[in-house]
Amino acid sequence: QKEVEQDPGPLSVPEGAIVSLNCTYSNSAFQYFMWYRQYSRKGPELLMYTYSSGNKEDGRFTAQVDKSSKYISLFIRDSQPSDSATYLCAMRRDDYKLSFGAGTTVTVRA
Amino acid sequence: ETGVTQTPRHLVMGMTNKKSLKCEQHLGHNAMYWYKQSAKKPLELMFVYNFKEQTENNSVPSRFSPECPNSSHLFLHLHTLQPEDSALYLCASSQEASGVNVRGEQFFGPGTRLTVL
Repeated sequence: QKEVEQDPGPLSVPEGAIVSLNCTYSNSAFQYFMWYRQYSRKGPELLMYTYSSGNKEDGRFTAQVDKSSKYISLFIRDSQPSDSATYLCAMRRDDYKLSFGAGTTVTVRA
Repeated sequence: ETGVTQTPRHLVMGMTNKKSLKCEQHLGHNAMYWYKQSAKKPLELMFVYNFKEQTENNSVPSRFSPECPNSSHLFLHLHTLQPEDSALYLCASSQEASGVNVRGEQFFGPGTRLTVL
């Protein structure tokens, strides 16, 4: 079993739709949960950072963590073509080591 | 230059060549990382330099050799690579503190696209 599972997609949505992304994990020691966005020919950039369970909102982006279910989600409201990218979930214990999902490729159609 | 830079951005090499990838961070961080990113696979951590101590993933072949001369520079030396080593190699840096929970956000460079013929 992979430590972090993420559906690679691809996911294609019309502009203005809500994009829903998720990851599941097996290691209950994970405490910090992140979403990275990676544009083509670029390195990943941190989008959202959450500690433990709960919700976090930043503009059009909402991250949710449910530690009891070992499930994290990212929602993108009012999606734009500029949101087209690969989204990577990542998580860590209380050390530096990040465990990543494989990434979901999202295309927002104008 | 700001953030994390990597050179070269693209590299094509034969299996008998020796080459090096370079990474430089301008963020004042004390930890640097090499990752391998292959299509449809999670980022794979290869090496970490944290407080000048090296930690490595034991599954990384010896044909990859890291070097960290100081906290701002990181190299990945490559020799006798195989075609399956073709991938995007990403460098990252972060600020870590021993014994204290810190954010530890990792900042990534743009990567080196490596093709082994």
